[in-house]
Amino acid sequence: ETGVTQSPTHLIKTRGQQVTLRCSSQSGHNTVSWYQQALGQGPQFIFQYYREEENGRGNFPPRFSGLQFPNYSSELNVNALELDDSALYLCASSPGTGGEETQYFGPGTRLLVL
Amino acid sequence: RKEVEQDPGPFNVPEGATVAFNCTYSNSASQSFFWYRQDCRKEPKLLMSVYSSGNEDGRFTAQLNRASQYISLLIRDSKLSDSATYLCVVGHNDMRFGAGTRLTVKP
Repeated sequence: ETGVTQSPTHLIKTRGQQVTLRCSSQSGHNTVSWYQQALGQGPQFIFQYYREEENGRGNFPPRFSGLQFPNYSSELNVNALELDDSALYLCASSPGTGGEETQYFGPGTRLLVL
Repeated sequence: RKEVEQDPGPFNVPEGATVAFNCTYSNSASQSFFWYRQDCRKEPKLLMSVYSSGNEDGRFTAQLNRASQYISLLIRDSKLSDSATYLCVVGHNDMRFGAGTRLTVKP
């Protein structure tokens, strides 16, 4: 519906493992933002990429890292998984620099860390 | 203090009721404001942007008070399909979300 897709839809990992989540933005959208949404909470901003450069970061440790590619796809990598990393991970794209624009969300990836 | 704070809810109202949600934000330099709607186990979807002059979209009215750093959403004539979590979102370089207010509209 929004043209933003994410994969996988669900994932189960164990503590200490590493995970890579993927997002495909709307064509022409230069900004992608990633969010973590714990159960019963609002989305928490992880970081934002504009034209393959990180241009904003929330209060998340360095083990959360990302990449954005020229083909409007992006990745969120999380190393050394912790139980508290269990959440819905959302990516959102926007056409411009993204900081203050309407964002279009993908359906999310549900990560469970055991 | 959280950057964006919302009424904790939940709100349980009958069909046809009018319900209002409030939101406050801490960053006075914020420049964009939105209400998003999130259905259970789904992604957030834009409900409406919020402008300084206030704006209306059918049964939904949003207000912004920059001096008080306050945003509101009014839903008139509630429908069963309005049941969802409503997220207040504030933008300044990036977007910050409130925790959301859950609304249940009952027959």
